[in-house]
Amino acid sequence: EDQVTQSPEALRLQEGESSSLNCSYTVSGLRGLFWYRQDPGKGPEFLFTLYSAGEEKEKERLKATLTKKESFLHITAPKPEDSATYLCAVQEGNFNKFYFGSGTKLNVKP
Amino acid sequence: NAGVMQNPRHLVRRRGQEARLRCSPMKGHSHVYWYRQLPEEGLKFMVYLQKENIIDESGMPKERFSAEFPKEGPSILRIQQVVRGDSAAYFCASSPENSPLHFGNGTRLTVT
Repeated sequence: EDQVTQSPEALRLQEGESSSLNCSYTVSGLRGLFWYRQDPGKGPEFLFTLYSAGEEKEKERLKATLTKKESFLHITAPKPEDSATYLCAVQEGNFNKFYFGSGTKLNVKP
Repeated sequence: NAGVMQNPRHLVRRRGQEARLRCSPMKGHSHVYWYRQLPEEGLKFMVYLQKENIIDESGMPKERFSAEFPKEGPSILRIQQVVRGDSAAYFCASSPENSPLHFGNGTRLTVT
């Protein structure tokens, strides 16, 4: 059973068209939820950590939020340079184990 | 501060050969993780190590794959007798205690 599910798999936006990416998880005892950005041919780049429901983090055009069962990555007025795959990961309970979703591939057209 | 360093970036092996992938964690990081990624897919956990100890290897195939993180030197992921299905990108990540993972840029293994 997948612990982390991301949707949509792919998203095409026009420059300036805001949207949200979803990450739902089923692990019990969430220790932390993490968002990463991955560019082709590169390793994932850390963006945010969220620890508890109601928490929000922002960085430039990105804002991450967390509820008890899911997280959203909101992208406001995206630019073509925001095109990348966005990965969500969760860390469970007392374990130093991180489960990753399959990612959302974002393409922002100028 | 150097990030997580992986080498080689690209590795080509013939079927039956051995592949050795190296990972130097960020300074001060004592936890190392190895992940495998196929094209258009997510990261699949393989193994989690601390210095001189394998903590969790539940994601690693029982045969042909091994990993180590010695007291001195980089972490090594070793694949013996490679097969075509081993072709993938292998990513290493490191962290200090209770912190997010920081990734290297991966080793792309091609088995011919």
